[in-house]
Amino acid sequence: NAGVTQTPKFQVLKTGQSMTLQCAQDMNHNSMYWYRQDPGMGLRLIYYSASEGTTDKGEVPNGYNVSRLNKREFSLRLESAAPSQTSVYFCASRGRGRKNSPLHFGNGTRLTVT
Amino acid sequence: DQQVKQNSPSLSVQEGRISILNCDYTNSMFDYFLWYKKYPAEGPTFLISISSIKDKNEDGRFTVFLNKSAKHLSLHIVPSQPGDSAVYFCAAAYNFNKFYFGSGTKLNVKP
Repeated sequence: NAGVTQTPKFQVLKTGQSMTLQCAQDMNHNSMYWYRQDPGMGLRLIYYSASEGTTDKGEVPNGYNVSRLNKREFSLRLESAAPSQTSVYFCASRGRGRKNSPLHFGNGTRLTVT
Repeated sequence: DQQVKQNSPSLSVQEGRISILNCDYTNSMFDYFLWYKKYPAEGPTFLISISSIKDKNEDGRFTVFLNKSAKHLSLHIVPSQPGDSAVYFCAAAYNFNKFYFGSGTKLNVKP
């Protein structure tokens, strides 16, 4: 039972390069999320998708784009990477319903932009 | 401006004693609160949650308390064990859509 799978685990980019972070979940969850974690800042929401076909901005969307490819997959794209985007990126998913519906996280992608 | 705050970056507790982690929030619309535990190089894992209609929720050694008037959330771990050493994040949400996280508290449980 894989849960939420993120690829790659590590990535080094040069300023101005682009890349896509991949996320897939096998729990048939409706909602998916992208967070970044920075020291002293906790987890900050970049974008989320409440259901297939919809996406919305979070707290820190600038410099990112997302695609909800289907119910399972939610990708995060950096078009022109900047050193300020050096961070650990976490994808999460959540099932429908009000009770006992926490976020389930992947193990993260550690991105360094030089 | 952070809507969820954890003002203690770290906490050290002796094994067997109680660990109390605190969290404050500013948005009175929040109606669902959660605690997550995170080990290095892993994603956060869900620990316990509470809805705004309750003031306490227990799960084994973990109890979450919610004081809505003070906009304050706490997690009690009794008894604390060395394996509880991790970073703990509190989170809050409204309409079960956007989840906002605190900056985390690193708990060290000494044997």
